[in-house]
Amino acid sequence: GEDVEQSLFLSVREGDSSVINCTYTDSSSTYLYWYKQEPGAGLQLLTYIFSNMDMKQDQRLTVLLNKKDKHLSLRIADTQTGDSAIYFCAELLGGTDKLIFGTGTRLQVFP
Amino acid sequence: GAGVSQSPSNKVTEKGKDVELRCDPISGHTALYWYRQSLGQGLEFLIYFQGNSAPDKSGLPSDRFSAERTGGSVSTLTIQRTQQEDSAVYLCASSWVGNTIYFGEGSWLTVV
Repeated sequence: GEDVEQSLFLSVREGDSSVINCTYTDSSSTYLYWYKQEPGAGLQLLTYIFSNMDMKQDQRLTVLLNKKDKHLSLRIADTQTGDSAIYFCAELLGGTDKLIFGTGTRLQVFP
Repeated sequence: GAGVSQSPSNKVTEKGKDVELRCDPISGHTALYWYRQSLGQGLEFLIYFQGNSAPDKSGLPSDRFSAERTGGSVSTLTIQRTQQEDSAVYLCASSWVGNTIYFGEGSWLTVV
């Protein structure tokens, strides 16, 4: 099927690290993305990783990709209250330009 | 333009009426997508246009939904005889083929 799975909620203390996990469906997916959606706003592209990479770091964000297990994670270091949002992972299905999204993880950061 | 532009940003319509939602993709982007996000839900793929190829309509939920893309640029999503379950945010996105996909701010549709 085409269900990209994410846990629904994550709550962390300000200053701690957050790790959001995603299991995708297609081993031939070429790109994997993380998007952020703040309340009442559209989707903001945070970062992406090409399928031949294991890791990508971009400032406070680290993306890890395990192709064998079709597992993707997003680590946010030193999480801030402004990071509170819904985070969506998405995969670009191999051989297509069809982008399939996960259900989203709501991250809540408390002081 | 600088980004993907959608209009209207908000639309309240009566059940049974038709609505049209417009998307202006980023200039030069050949791929255009429509997604739907219902309250508290994830993103549901609706339709995808790529250049002059036949669109991938596999996500359209019923024959009340249709979309067209004129001149390879602007797209219109039309919902006929709207129902309350059509209430959602309709998101448009565009990209170069195989490249990063950028989203608009969405059109918030409420059917009363």
